[in-house]
Amino acid sequence: GESVGLHLPTLSVQEGDNSIINCAYSNSASDYFIWYKQESGKGPQFIIDIRSNMDKRQGQRVTVLLNKTVKHLSLQIAATQPGDSAVYFCAEGGVTGYSTLTFGKGTMLLVSP
Amino acid sequence: GAGVSQSPRYKVTKRGQDVALRCDPISGHVSLYWYRQALGQGPEFLTYFNYEAQQDKSGLPNDRFSAERPEGSISTLTIQRTEQRDSAMYRCASSPRDINEQFFGPGTRLTVL
Repeated sequence: GESVGLHLPTLSVQEGDNSIINCAYSNSASDYFIWYKQESGKGPQFIIDIRSNMDKRQGQRVTVLLNKTVKHLSLQIAATQPGDSAVYFCAEGGVTGYSTLTFGKGTMLLVSP
Repeated sequence: GAGVSQSPRYKVTKRGQDVALRCDPISGHVSLYWYRQALGQGPEFLTYFNYEAQQDKSGLPNDRFSAERPEGSISTLTIQRTEQRDSAMYRCASSPRDINEQFFGPGTRLTVL
């Protein structure tokens, strides 16, 4: 299958650790943010989203934090598992008049058993 | 429940030929998006539709690229007079409405020789 991990920032963690993946977004007017997970040879898969009127949102084992002051988004994965190994992309959107997503650079997460 | 499907999964063509890439969104989804993804990069927006109306085509690289969604369901991305630089993974996504989670298809890998 294709590899989407070439020349990407990489985060290596041990199974059971907590992982934090960071993302800087570019448009201060963006009001919707989303994290996707992409495994090799597959399309991006939704993880969690957050709107700009929130600064934190929790899902199952994942938490997204939004800091609009510094235009920073982070994804926290609790008790990371080998199946979490993938490339993670943040995306921003929702600027008035648009509903497209602008994706950031990906981060490869490698989880060792 | 079927997800987003795309066909063909792989397309090899000679420079100068026209190609048509098909996307079948999730049934009932209003919005349909086309992206291009280079290896190691996040998806890059090309164009999107709400129902049959093309809302934004600002991401199409040039006038060789066009897209349609005549009945508000299946969409076709057409590239005329293909060039080697058009080689990429073309991904389609759909969502129930604007500014919402987008569900991605498996992509069409286009190779222009």
